[in-house]
Amino acid sequence: QVQLQESGPRLVKPSETLSLTCTVSGGSFSSYYWSWIRQPAGKGLEWIGRIYASGSTDYNPSLKSRVTMSVDTSKNQFSLKLSSVTAADTAVYYCARDLDRGSDYWGQGTLVTVSS
Amino acid sequence: DIVMTQSPDSLAVSLGERATINCKSSQSVLYNSNNKNYLGWYQQKPGQPPKLLIYWASTRESGVPDRFSGSGSETDFTLTISSLQAEDVALYYCQQYYSTPRTFGQGTKVEIK
Repeated sequence: QVQLQESGPRLVKPSETLSLTCTVSGGSFSSYYWSWIRQPAGKGLEWIGRIYASGSTDYNPSLKSRVTMSVDTSKNQFSLKLSSVTAADTAVYYCARDLDRGSDYWGQGTLVTVSS
Repeated sequence: DIVMTQSPDSLAVSLGERATINCKSSQSVLYNSNNKNYLGWYQQKPGQPPKLLIYWASTRESGVPDRFSGSGSETDFTLTISSLQAEDVALYYCQQYYSTPRTFGQGTKVEIK
């Protein structure tokens, strides 16, 4: 059974960089795209982007200037950095496995709050 | 970006009755090369991540009860719960994965009447 777990600081100051890591266990890592999706409280889902195990990326154009994703295949981990955050970036951040038929495995999500 | 629009925003259905959710995409999500619609449906319960229910517009994910069904093609899609159960109370989202950025509908809240 594939499991994903997000980790990282839960509180980030405005203008700083949000950093999260997703650790994947229980399945192959190298053959898939891995994505980040976020959800502000009481709102819908926003796809942030995805990264292949080789390191190739697709970012949402609405966030592209502030997003960097990376991968560490030796640890079965992939990471998200979102720079220059504001209160509007406060959300539950999910990592997920991205297939050509949707996202089938998701982490439980981690709430990141942007506040001074 | 492909814009996904769901209707209604919420609906209340009696236990055992049918629930129908619609999803419209701003452009076709049908790949002519394989005749597949790149459209999925997710269920999200409070405090949980979304769960993939339906992919390719009409294929149930493994373990999903057969009261859930999907239909439609190109730009118009429907998720049907044939006989609503108490455990089906949730938010439902459609998502297109025809192109990046992947985009979701705004969600439909299903409640018990």
